[in-house]
Amino acid sequence: DAKTTQPTSMDCAEGRAANLPCNHSTISGNEYVYWYRQIHSQGPQYIIHGLKNNETNEMASLIITEDRKSSTLILPHATLRDTAVYYCVLQGGSEKLVFGKGTKLTVNP
Amino acid sequence: DVKVTQSSRYLVKRTGEKVFLECVQDMDHENMFWYRQDPGLGLRLIYFSYDVKMKEKGDIPEGYSVSREKKERFSLILESASTNQTSMYLCASSPGGLAGGRETQYFGPGTRLLVL
Repeated sequence: DAKTTQPTSMDCAEGRAANLPCNHSTISGNEYVYWYRQIHSQGPQYIIHGLKNNETNEMASLIITEDRKSSTLILPHATLRDTAVYYCVLQGGSEKLVFGKGTKLTVNP
Repeated sequence: DVKVTQSSRYLVKRTGEKVFLECVQDMDHENMFWYRQDPGLGLRLIYFSYDVKMKEKGDIPEGYSVSREKKERFSLILESASTNQTSMYLCASSPGGLAGGRETQYFGPGTRLLVL
């Protein structure tokens, strides 16, 4: 079973920030928080990852709470092409990725 | 950029046929993975490989086998296809060297297999 909990779906207006939450209250000390997304009919795509510090790259920002029990992926200026299913995944316990059901983000014009 | 390619985007096979799904990565990655993805069930790991000629079972290996004769290529074999193997099959690779899976996995575009 997935060790993360995400809302089933979210909507966002084009050009606005999309904030996608993830709960991982049973995270272990050696587990990283990874985010992937899957655009319809394609393979998952890596977005960003972090251990305990906040991270930013050209695609997104990742905010991890101090207790590491939850995190938020931020897409600062969402576009229509960001419409996808976003998965929050814990990596570090084993080589196996356990994807939950993810959050279906719909960016509206 | 890492490139993971899969031999077919769509495949239709008959029950009982032997099916080969091929995956190739061009970044000299040590680790390669095969998943299947079904609605409501998410991604499930079938097999993975740390090195040439090495393989490990994932969560659902029954009815499947794999082959890794060269580092860049990882094949998934359905020995005798059945209708319950109709699914989206995803291949992934990661660099290797870090224990415990703390590495980004790079996915191919997927193969949609329909078994009639």
